[in-house]
Amino acid sequence: GQQLNQSPQSMFIQEGEDVSMNCTSSSIFNTWLWYKQDPGEGPVLLIALYKAGELTSNGRLTAQFGITRKDSFLNISASIPSDVGIYFCAVITGNQFYFGTGTSLTVIP
Amino acid sequence: DAGVIQSPRHEVTEMGQEVTLRCKPISGHNSLFWYRQTMMRGLELLIYFNNNVPIDDSGMPEDRFSAKMPNASFSTLKIQPSEPRDSAVYFCASTRQVANEQFFGPGTRLTVL
Repeated sequence: GQQLNQSPQSMFIQEGEDVSMNCTSSSIFNTWLWYKQDPGEGPVLLIALYKAGELTSNGRLTAQFGITRKDSFLNISASIPSDVGIYFCAVITGNQFYFGTGTSLTVIP
Repeated sequence: DAGVIQSPRHEVTEMGQEVTLRCKPISGHNSLFWYRQTMMRGLELLIYFNNNVPIDDSGMPEDRFSAKMPNASFSTLKIQPSEPRDSAVYFCASTRQVANEQFFGPGTRLTVL
């Protein structure tokens, strides 16, 4: 099956710091998504990217769809304690939907 | 909209018992997905339906697992008999069409003793 490699696997940062995580694949995908999962809840969609090179922001979040269509990154600026959770990238191709392995983020107040 | 609704939120059962998890997708969504999440294996797609028809059940671990979608507003995932290794969080997600962003329910945390 398809594999999405997310890095880093986990991050421990101080409140106020910026965060960067990325997701890569050996295959080309036309839609990249970023989800956040709070402890004890289901994943919630943060940002959807549909065009290679696209840069999209949602508040303190910024995500980019790589020009090669094989990668994407997510940045969080000025982190706050409620940013804690697991961040997943996901891709859609045809009728298939794949999730990355997740990046666990801990924000230390 | 209430979002995807799952029940129960928590289920504790003994090995060998039958377990039924329930999902109500978002109204108007035509595709429904069942996932299982564990620390070891992450988020795994078990099966998905499009217009109430199972399309891909290749992720269903074994014959003890079965899923149905009798109508557009209801789906069940059944495990019989349950085993301790089935302990996980089971998520249901729905989407307007298969190739669109998925919206997840809150999950059912299953513990099989």
